[in-house]
Amino acid sequence: DSGVTQTPKHLITATGQRVTLRCSPRSGDLSVYWYQQSLDQGLQFLIQYYNGEERAKGNILERFSAQQFPDLHSELNLSSLELGDSALYFCASSPSLGGNTYEQYFGPGTRLTVT
Amino acid sequence: AQKVTQAQTEISVVEKEDVTLDCVYETRDTTYYLFWYKQPPSGELVFLIRRNSFDEQNEISGRYSWNFQKSTSSFNFTITASQVVDSAVYFCALSGWVSQGAQKLVFGQGTRLTINP
Repeated sequence: DSGVTQTPKHLITATGQRVTLRCSPRSGDLSVYWYQQSLDQGLQFLIQYYNGEERAKGNILERFSAQQFPDLHSELNLSSLELGDSALYFCASSPSLGGNTYEQYFGPGTRLTVT
Repeated sequence: AQKVTQAQTEISVVEKEDVTLDCVYETRDTTYYLFWYKQPPSGELVFLIRRNSFDEQNEISGRYSWNFQKSTSSFNFTITASQVVDSAVYFCALSGWVSQGAQKLVFGQGTRLTINP
């Protein structure tokens, strides 16, 4: 158990809908990352937050957004869903932005199926 | 830009065989970190090891060992006396600097390892 929690574990929804994925980082970790894992794209970095502020963006679509709250949990919002958004979405946390303590610990993931 | 290549898409061996997973990376950073993660059939990503770019010492942890060679930009992972429970997808990853001193991970495409009894 990495200490990172994600809810829900599975999500099935229809095209055009909006969903919210939730992540709680490990105790003490300030940095949260979101990744998408799909068969054709592999593991893709989406976005990073550190102590409530957005710090880096990867291959995140405009239909997707995220935020990190004062209690450090994070939410990833996916809207106008398309079939191609079906994937496993991971949240990871890290105690720092970089340096010798830089490691990312991953949650169990949320499997999103868009029908 | 950073890139990680895991040329072996799938490997299948018989239990107790030794197996090496290859990882080759590209980066212009002078300081970076390399990682290996395991993704068992249950789906979670399990952190295995982090290696600092300044530390080229090989590391051994039980049946697992890692060989980091900066000269060839490789960070290979060997499982000795493989077991069925080692069956998983293994990802090699490289840290990449982004703005304001923050790092992100760049993953390879993964190697699916199947250990047959």
